[in-house]
Amino acid sequence: DVVMTQSPLSLPVTLGQPASISCRSSQSLVYSDGNTYLSWFHQRPGQSPRRLIDTVSNRDSGVPDRFSGSGSGTDFTLKISRVEAEDVGVYYCMQGTHWPLTFGGGTKVEIK
Amino acid sequence: EVHLVESGGVLVQPGGSLRLSCVASKFIFGNYWMTWVRQAPGKGLEWVANINLDGSEKKYVDSVKGRFTISRDNAKNSLFLQIKSLRAEDTAVYYCARGYRWLEYWGQGTLVTVSS
Repeated sequence: DVVMTQSPLSLPVTLGQPASISCRSSQSLVYSDGNTYLSWFHQRPGQSPRRLIDTVSNRDSGVPDRFSGSGSGTDFTLKISRVEAEDVGVYYCMQGTHWPLTFGGGTKVEIK
Repeated sequence: EVHLVESGGVLVQPGGSLRLSCVASKFIFGNYWMTWVRQAPGKGLEWVANINLDGSEKKYVDSVKGRFTISRDNAKNSLFLQIKSLRAEDTAVYYCARGYRWLEYWGQGTLVTVSS
């Protein structure tokens, strides 16, 4: 199985400051169709996950433009340009290139 | 807006069985792969199974093969997960999600607790 490794595990941030989460895969996530199936999800306490980013860098409808995704191959990053209070929770990356689909262990974002 | 509502989660004894359901609305259910994902209490997310548009193709994570069966009824806009021989480690919130290699919409989840 493809192992997805996120860092850091915990990320205390100051409101209005940027934040960055890393996600590394144990194998390349480039699929035979040319797409890279790497998604990012946000889960607030007590809620179900919500997808933010699809195929590395495509923001879902309604996701604020302070969220951005980048990367290629095995190395990916989610950035929040200016953290807001509603951004707290756990962020997960997920690869959809290889079966079984696998998730990173999560990064907990909290406000300092 | 896409709506997914899971049900069927209960407290069940080890070795027991149950069936989870997910009812979909606000999209053409039969046009999409569907997926089950679970989350043990305080833990991360684990992909469990998915099923293609007409139910002819199914994939499972190794840890549930032979015990879990995913199915769907497109006429009723419903997705199911039949679980047997339940173990303590199956305790989790089970989410249904729309998608194949991507999981674009999720339900609110249903809690399965396996305990004697």
